[in-house]
This record gives sequence, structure tokens and C-alpha cells, in this order.
Amino acid sequence: GAVVSQHPSRVICKSGTSVKIECRSLDFQATTMFWYRQFPKKSLMLMATSNEGSKATYEQGVEKDKFLINHASLTLSTLTVTSAHPEDSSFYICSARGGAGGRETQYFGPGTRLLVL
Amino acid sequence: GESVGLHLPTLSVQEGDNSIINCAYSNSASDYFIWYKQESGKGPQFIIDIRSNMDKRQGQRVTVLLNKTVKHLSLQIAATQPGDSAVYFCAENRRAGNQFYFGTGTSLTVIP
Repeated sequence: GAVVSQHPSRVICKSGTSVKIECRSLDFQATTMFWYRQFPKKSLMLMATSNEGSKATYEQGVEKDKFLINHASLTLSTLTVTSAHPEDSSFYICSARGGAGGRETQYFGPGTRLLVL
Repeated sequence: GESVGLHLPTLSVQEGDNSIINCAYSNSASDYFIWYKQESGKGPQFIIDIRSNMDKRQGQRVTVLLNKTVKHLSLQIAATQPGDSAVYFCAENRRAGNQFYFGTGTSLTVIP
């Protein structure tokens, strides 16, 4: 199956700093990437949908100035958590859609665990 | 063993027994559904999918049942093994917008 990677896998940062998380589709071109957030023992919450070359579409309640998404190429999307605070600590997961699969085919990355001190 | 998803988020079964995990979805416009397995600290893994024009689909040791009348999905795992221990999520895809929305999830523990 298609492979999606995320970098870094874990990050610890101080409150007030910004953190960038990369999501890459390694063997296919992803026309659309999705960013999710997951708290411990909770479900995945869709944050935003990112289409290559256009602005991301954010879900209701997600601050677009707080969570900056850039999808500059067909294989890379980045999520930047700006001025991170302890409440931003979470597991961030991306997924990518595209390649030979139909509209529904979505491949998940391994996730990035963010801890803000 | 059987769970009701939203009301019973944990399910424990004996190794070798069959497991049934349930999920209620919210949007009648959803036309495609996927079951995912998530192990601790990892991203979700695709298990099996079903379109709304079907009511049953079988894979290897897994079966998904869809009841559109009551907006209910179930995942049946036959002969459950310790490696099946994980959290299971159903996800619904709504054609408009093409996003996937995840259910609450059920934690399955297989007792050797």
C-alpha cells in the first residue's frame, strides 16, 4: 500500500515557540491531505483539509492562525503550531489521498506526538 | 463479546472468541465507511471498507455489516487473537467535501 511519513515523530518544545510537522506521501502524489488531532483515549478529530496549491479548509472551531497549513507540493503538507501552549500537546496525525486509489482511499501517517512544556 | 461503541468504549474477549464492535454514525448522507485499527502510539490502519449500496462485506477474519435504516455499522472479528488488541474506529465519508469523520472508538483487549 501507499506510504505516508511524518516528521518528527516526537517533539518537545517550550511554551510560546512554534513547531512545524511535515507530512509526506512517499510513493504517490497526494492531491489532498488531512490533518487530525487526537487526545489520549479519544477519537481522531479532523482539523483541516489541505489541497495542493490552495488554502486549507478548516473545521469549525479550529483556529487557522494557530494551526498554519501549507500544501506546497503534491507530496508534502506541513502543519505549524504557532505560539504553542501546553493545551496544544496532543498526537497529530496526517493522512493523504491520491494515487491510484479512488476518492475514498486515504493513507495515514504514523503520527507526531507534541508535548509543550 | 459485543460493544455498543459510544456507551461501552472497552471490550474484553477471550482469545479464540468472536468479537463484535459497534458504531453509530450520524449523517444519512454518508455513503462510504471504513473500519480502522489503531495500536498505541501509531496511526490508524485500514481494516475493511463498505459502500452504502452494500449491507455486508467480508475480509480475512473480518466482516462489516451496515444498517442504513438505523445508521449503524458493526465489525465482526472471527477467532480473535492477542494481536487484535487495539482501538477500533469507524469512519464515515460524506461525498460533499470528501472528509472522513471518525467515531468514538472501542478499545478491544484480547485475553490469552
